[in-house]
Amino acid sequence: EVQLAESGGGVIQPGGSLRLSCAASGLTVSTNFMSWVRQAPGKGLEWVSILYPDGATYYADSLKGRFAISGDTSKNTLHLQINGLRAEDTALYYCAGSSRPNLGDFWGQGTLVTVSS
Amino acid sequence: EVVLTQSPATLSLSPGQRATLSCRASQSVSSYLAWYQQKAGQAPRLLIYDASNRATGIPARFSGSGSGTDFTLTISSLEPEDFAVYYCQQGLYWPTFGQGTKVEMK
Repeated sequence: EVQLAESGGGVIQPGGSLRLSCAASGLTVSTNFMSWVRQAPGKGLEWVSILYPDGATYYADSLKGRFAISGDTSKNTLHLQINGLRAEDTALYYCAGSSRPNLGDFWGQGTLVTVSS
Repeated sequence: EVVLTQSPATLSLSPGQRATLSCRASQSVSSYLAWYQQKAGQAPRLLIYDASNRATGIPARFSGSGSGTDFTLTISSLEPEDFAVYYCQQGLYWPTFGQGTKVEMK
């Protein structure tokens, strides 16, 4: 059974930084397409970033420069570093994995990031 | 960016009825279209990928059709657990989602 467990969310002041983590079991982070998808409170879904099995990384155009996705093979964990946090980054951040690109077969329960002074 | 427009915004139906949800893309996405179900307080669940393929464990009452710019998700006979929000998502370009259709109990 595939399980994805996000952590690292919290309340952070504007301009701050945060590192989100997604611990995977039943799925190998390094051999799958791993993504972060976010959902602002009461809103729809937005694809944030993707890590390909070959190590390539991709980001939503509007988020380039502030977000960095990475994988830790030894811990089978996905990370998302977010810098220069803004109020509009407030959202539930989901980790998703798939054997295919641009798809979310498996999802975690999300970690909430709240940007507020 | 490919914009996906879902209709209707809300569908009010009774258990046992047929639900038909629409998703229209601003440009062709071939068959790279997926459907997800999201219940309150839960993560999205993949229902359909490549427009018409059911994901593992998804009941046969869920079916998808379409290609190019027009897609449909059909739930043949609504069960109580099917009342939720449904999102379409294209994967040919940078992934984008529709705004969602809420299927609510009448």
